[in-house]
Amino acid sequence: EPEVTQTPSHQVTQMGQEVILRCVPISNHLYFYWYRQILGQKVEFLVSFYNNEISEKSEIFDDQFSVERPDGSNFTLKIRSTKLEDSAMYFCASSEPGGPLQPQHFGDGTRLSIL
Amino acid sequence: AQSVTQLGSHVSVSEGALVLLRCNYSSSVPPYLFWYVQYPNQGLQLLLKYTSAATLVKGINGFEAEFKKSETSFHLTKPSAHMSDAAEYFCAVSAQGASTDKLIFGTGTRLQVFP
Repeated sequence: EPEVTQTPSHQVTQMGQEVILRCVPISNHLYFYWYRQILGQKVEFLVSFYNNEISEKSEIFDDQFSVERPDGSNFTLKIRSTKLEDSAMYFCASSEPGGPLQPQHFGDGTRLSIL
Repeated sequence: AQSVTQLGSHVSVSEGALVLLRCNYSSSVPPYLFWYVQYPNQGLQLLLKYTSAATLVKGINGFEAEFKKSETSFHLTKPSAHMSDAAEYFCAVSAQGASTDKLIFGTGTRLQVFP
């Protein structure tokens, strides 16, 4: 069964450094998402992306965050200047066209640790 | 605005016993509702979804959930727990007819199954 793949599984970065989290969505999917889960808290929506542009972003997704689909297969989340509070598990998800009727398929996540 | 509330951060059952995980939702528009499961060190896997077709929804691994509008509930049940059901379970909501299909998650319920 096709999967959403995320790399790396664990990223350790110094505060203030830039980090790029990578995702390979399922190949025929057109909608892409990033969520995050701070340890012990709920999974939170960050951003959705369709047709090479952001569809919606949450309050968390400030100017330090950006997303990109640099080629036909990768979907990336960049944090320009990381803060301690950015430490979390970051999940990528993708779905087929059809809106909420189509389930979002999640990757296994990247655990980001900011030192 | 939409939200979900999961009552009970931890639920423990014996193998073979009924599993009941509670989820109540709040939505100003008809909701789509989802249950996801997260096994250790893995991503979120869709168990089942309610999209207004039928109020009783059957999912994978013997789980089902019933949408009760009068109670604003979408509780997850399984008649007989198995050791392999031990995981974290998340209820989520998105809005029908919305321009975006972001998922709003609950805080999760960790299910323990004892032999």
